[in-house]
Parts: sequence; structure tokens; C-alpha cells
Amino acid sequence: AQTVTQSQPEMSVQEAETVTLSCTYDTSESDYYLFWYKQPPSRQMILVIRQEAYKQQNATENRFSVNFQKAAKSFSLKISDSQLGDAAMYFCAYRSAFIGRFGAGTRLTVKP
Amino acid sequence: DSGVTQTPKHLITATGQRVTLRCSPRSGDLSVYWYQQSLDQGLQFLIQYYNGEERAKGNILERFSAQQFPDLHSELNLSSLELGDSALYFCASSVEGVERNTEAFFGQGTRLTVV
Repeated sequence: AQTVTQSQPEMSVQEAETVTLSCTYDTSESDYYLFWYKQPPSRQMILVIRQEAYKQQNATENRFSVNFQKAAKSFSLKISDSQLGDAAMYFCAYRSAFIGRFGAGTRLTVKP
Repeated sequence: DSGVTQTPKHLITATGQRVTLRCSPRSGDLSVYWYQQSLDQGLQFLIQYYNGEERAKGNILERFSAQQFPDLHSELNLSSLELGDSALYFCASSVEGVERNTEAFFGQGTRLTVV
């Protein structure tokens, strides 16, 4: 069964610094997609970034980038130049045909 | 606006009662997922429906049940409610198959409080 593991329940970063959130997953499929979602205090789920498994190039979206290691089944999120507005719960997610799974989440605190 | 509508937004009920949460997916999305999020916790996958049929089941209690109707809206039924069932319940929908690279779109959630 597909599982997603986020081993860091909480992380903190100083404003303007860089932080990396970890995610590993388990699957026997070769075609799948990975996502990072952000959940601010409003509890709304917001897509941050996505990665197609068939692409070797790591996805980037402004200050957000991923380090996708397919063989290791690792998908970490790097946030550069952290801002106070980045404080939120972050969820790693896996999707393949008809299947969607989320990790337990990492709570990110940004210190001014 | 994600296009996924959940009603009601808030629900307060007593222990032992039964409630129904409703989800209307985005137009064209055939898959509906239900998740439970207790206070400051992660998302727990409950169940998934695809085009009216149950596709996958997670840690869903026997007191909980769901269904997806021909018009693709879905309902999550929670019965014999306990205090521990208080949580935010999310519905998400997605396109499956060829366009599965799209993310799941989430509703705003239904906040259930059991007193």
C-alpha cells in the first residue's frame, strides 16, 4: 500500500533563512505525482508545488523548491528566504491513478 | 475558490447523535476523498469514492459511512458520535485517469464539535 511519511512533526526557521521539510513515500508504481500542500491557520489547503515522477528535474516555484530522489523515494521541500507568512502546517502528498495519500504534516514556525 | 463545496461549515451536536456531512466536487471530477483532521493534527484518510463506487478505505470507523451519488456529490455519515469525533472533516475531489497529474482540490471543511 502507498504510504507517505513526514518524520518531522515540527520545524522552526528564522525569518529570511532556509528550511527543508522531509518526506518519504512507499510505492511500487512507476507513474505517480507528488505534491506539497500548505495549511495556514485558516485551515484552507493550498497547493505549494508539484512534481511528476517521470521528470528528473526538480520543481521550483519562486522561493519553494523540491529535492526529488526517486530511487530513495524521497521528496523534500526547501523554503528559501522564509517569511512570516510561511508559518503553517505542510503536508506531503502522493497521487497515482485513483490513489491519493497524505503525510501526517509538519508544523513550521517562522521566528522574526 | 476551489470549486469543492462542503456543507455545513460548522456543526455542533451531542454525543450519541448522528450527522451527515455533504460534499459537492468540482465539476467534472469523479473522485471524492474524505479526510479527518483533529485539532492541530495531520490529515487522516477516511475513504475514497470514484464515480459512485468505493475505491479505497483508510482508517474509517465502523460508525462512519459514506456514499457517492449518481450526481457525484458525496455524503459522510457519522453515527453514535463521541467527543473524540470532534474534528475538521475535509472533502477533496480530483480528476483521475489521463489527467491525474492534477492535484486534489479541497473544500473548506466542516468543523464538527461534539459536546
